[in-house]
Amino acid sequence: QKEVEQNSGPLSVPEGAIASLNCTYSDRGSQSFFWYRQYSGKSPELIMFIYSNGDKEDGRFTAQLNKASQYVSLLIRDSQPSDSATYLCAVPYSGGGADGLTFGKGTHLIIQP
Amino acid sequence: DVKVTQSSRYLVKRTGEKVFLECVQDMDHENMFWYRQDPGLGLRLIYFSYDVKMKEKGDIPEGYSVSREKKERFSLILESASTNQTSMYLCASSAYPGQNSGANVLTFGAGSRLTVL
Repeated sequence: QKEVEQNSGPLSVPEGAIASLNCTYSDRGSQSFFWYRQYSGKSPELIMFIYSNGDKEDGRFTAQLNKASQYVSLLIRDSQPSDSATYLCAVPYSGGGADGLTFGKGTHLIIQP
Repeated sequence: DVKVTQSSRYLVKRTGEKVFLECVQDMDHENMFWYRQDPGLGLRLIYFSYDVKMKEKGDIPEGYSVSREKKERFSLILESASTNQTSMYLCASSAYPGQNSGANVLTFGAGSRLTVL
């Protein structure tokens, strides 16, 4: 069974700084990687996903992949208090598109004004 | 523009009751999923379905069953609710691989918080 590990936090970052979130994955064959954000009491929402062929930037968010070390990072530039949430990393459940995602337990991020 | 709708936001049931959690999606997605989320345990996959009347077990199917009679609707059934099934239940859907490059992108419903007394 695939595993995704994340530091539960909380990770505290001052407003305007770069927040760096990491997760490690167990299956070297994983080809796609997902980051979700979950506000307290709400359901997860997709921030971005990347494939194994490279990093990706979307606005203030950058996802980076280190295949050799089997970890994925999410960088949030110019952090805002509204970025305070739990961030979930995920990989495909069994490699097929129909099989959903396996999630890490999430990192709780706090942006300090 | 709500895309995945879970019929009940909060439910309180008694031990031994049969519980139905309903989920409807309007995105014409083939795949639908039921997860439960618990503090310290994260999101865990209970069941999923990739087509009408098709279902597959996830990591924690014990004590649950599912029904998918129509493409847009996926129901989670607790045959005899127990206190350890008190949890947040999240339904999600995704498109079939090949329809777009984000085939594993899950869209979640708002969740159903179930308390079993």
